[in-house]
Amino acid sequence: SQQGEEDPQALSIQEGENATMNCSYKTSINNLQWYRQNSGRGLVHLILIRSNEREKHSGRLRVTLDTSKKSSSLLITASRAADTASYFCATELVFGQGTRLTINP
Amino acid sequence: GAGVSQSPRYKVAKRGQDVALRCDPISGHVSLFWYQQALGQGPEFLTYFQNEAQLDKSGLPSDRFFAERPEGSVSTLKIQRTQQEDSAVYLCASRSWGGGAVTGELFFGEGSRLTVL
Repeated sequence: SQQGEEDPQALSIQEGENATMNCSYKTSINNLQWYRQNSGRGLVHLILIRSNEREKHSGRLRVTLDTSKKSSSLLITASRAADTASYFCATELVFGQGTRLTINP
Repeated sequence: GAGVSQSPRYKVAKRGQDVALRCDPISGHVSLFWYQQALGQGPEFLTYFQNEAQLDKSGLPSDRFFAERPEGSVSTLKIQRTQQEDSAVYLCASRSWGGGAVTGELFFGEGSRLTVL
């Protein structure tokens, strides 16, 4: 069963804009991770945020975590066509349904 | 090897056939995971190995699914008497350390796409 739910399910924006994806989960966690999956490929780890952290940055990625609301967000700034992919949050071993992001040139 | 390797990349089976999917994790990685990913969905956990020990098989959907990792490196996921609902991408992931559900970064293979006709 899926613990996380991503929102929105699909997002289409213009290159250069920022993309925000949200994830909600149900149980207490030690950490939360975000992964990217290009079409027909495996998942690639992007970033891990621990339960005692509120925000974390990695390049153009910014992740926030609100354990009181059991939610996380992934922000991709200055999007590029190569960012087109599906993005999944994962808590413990459980993945969400994913957000399909399309960046239009 | 440099990454997680899965074979075959594509498999077409007739309903009722048995299939075997192979996963070569990153050399030295202790933990190995199998996931099932239906089209347009997120990966669903199937089973977890720490070295050769299968510590969690709670996600295996039926007794037709069987996984092994006899020497603590290569793993095989076997599906007996395949059904159409087994059609999915089967993803293998490895991690350098143990610890079960206390996760760190997982390294995924490209997956094996199974189509059951």
